[in-house]
Amino acid sequence: DQQVKQNSPSLSVQEGRISILNCDYTNSMFDYFLWYKKYPAEGPTFLISISSIKDKNEDGRFTVFLNKSAKHLSLHIVPSQPGDSAVYFCAAPDSGSARQLTFGSGTQLTVLP
Amino acid sequence: NAGVTQTPKFRILKIGQSMTLQCTQDMNHNYMYWYRQDPGMGLKLIYYSVGAGITDKGEVPNGYNVSRSTTEDFPLRLELAAPSQTSVYFCASSYGTGDWETQYFGPGTRLLVL
Repeated sequence: DQQVKQNSPSLSVQEGRISILNCDYTNSMFDYFLWYKKYPAEGPTFLISISSIKDKNEDGRFTVFLNKSAKHLSLHIVPSQPGDSAVYFCAAPDSGSARQLTFGSGTQLTVLP
Repeated sequence: NAGVTQTPKFRILKIGQSMTLQCTQDMNHNYMYWYRQDPGMGLKLIYYSVGAGITDKGEVPNGYNVSRSTTEDFPLRLELAAPSQTSVYFCASSYGTGDWETQYFGPGTRLLVL
């Protein structure tokens, strides 16, 4: 059973508009969440995180929102730029000592010029 | 800083062959991980290590082996390659010292088993 789900495999937006990427989770024990960004032929790179005790975290053009009652988080990118075109993964660590990450399946974002 | 490096970048194997995927990190991280990513899927954990000499299985360990003799290196061994092991393999590392763990990933090894 997938504990972290990204139900939209792809998203296209116009440059300058807002991109909203969504993620749902089932495990209430997750204590923080991360978003990773991945370009082709590269490894994922950390983008932004949010603690489960917060409902919003902002870093420049990127904002992550957490709705614990709905077990839902979203990543907002404003304004979107062509360089943001990439695959975005949401992830959460387990409670074990190694803090292993459980990843969603990813959303391919394409920002059109 | 090189960060996490992986070799080779790409490899074709025949069924039944064996190979070792190399991973090295120069950040003095305690924790290291191996993931695989199949097309259209998220990353799945194969094995991880919390320090030299300590390894443990992840979600999909069958068909793989690892060792961790030094802090820097964490090789992944495929003994009898099967088509189901065709995937992109990512190595990652993290400090392992706090709650806010960011994992740093290598560029990946693309493996094709024919």
